[in-house]
Amino acid sequence: QLQLQESGPGLVKPSETLSLTCTVSSGSISSRTYYWGWIRQPPGKGLEWIGSIYYSGSSYYNPSLKSRVTISVDTSKNQFSLKLSSVTAADTAIYYCASEMTTVTKNYLDYWGQGTLVTVSS
Amino acid sequence: DIQMTQSPSSLSASVGDRVTITCRASQSITSYLNWYQQKPGKAPKLLIYAASSLQSGVPSRFSGSGSGTDFTLTISSLQPEDFATYYCQQTYSIPRTFGPGTKVDIK
Repeated sequence: QLQLQESGPGLVKPSETLSLTCTVSSGSISSRTYYWGWIRQPPGKGLEWIGSIYYSGSSYYNPSLKSRVTISVDTSKNQFSLKLSSVTAADTAIYYCASEMTTVTKNYLDYWGQGTLVTVSS
Repeated sequence: DIQMTQSPSSLSASVGDRVTITCRASQSITSYLNWYQQKPGKAPKLLIYAASSLQSGVPSRFSGSGSGTDFTLTISSLQPEDFATYYCQQTYSIPRTFGPGTKVDIK
């Protein structure tokens, strides 16, 4: 089964760019049935979908974050990445990467990374 | 955006109880509805997809039903390992949105 692991700095200064990478193992990021997604969860709060990307580079984002988010994919490394610019304390959250099974009739997040806490603070 | 609501926001139940959680969408999402379980300090885990399909490896005491705007997650006989927070998610449109969660704790 797929395994996903987030990596990146746990502390980012306000106004800077948050950068995280998700490494996929036990499967190919070039799978035609998967998108690859990012979800975040502020401490003690609910889940927010950030966006997803296909191995071809086709992506879609949450409009509430779209102006600040870039998700990219590196098929040679079996990785995909998240960049969130101009961060504030409101972006402090646990960030999860996940595989997004996608077919004509269904779409769901079936495998998740363990999550990584990113704190925005000076 | 499609807004998702859940009720109740929390509930207390005993081992062996039948538990039902409701999720409502602000517009029809046909059957594009998933349920996740999250335990403290852990990533969410997929339980049910496409409203009523049980994810592989998930115990059969979990079931989902509904279509359109109203959905339910049922745990037929609550087990100690089921105490957690449950989220619904719609994947009918972008942005994907989650419900606020239902926390199930021990009575």
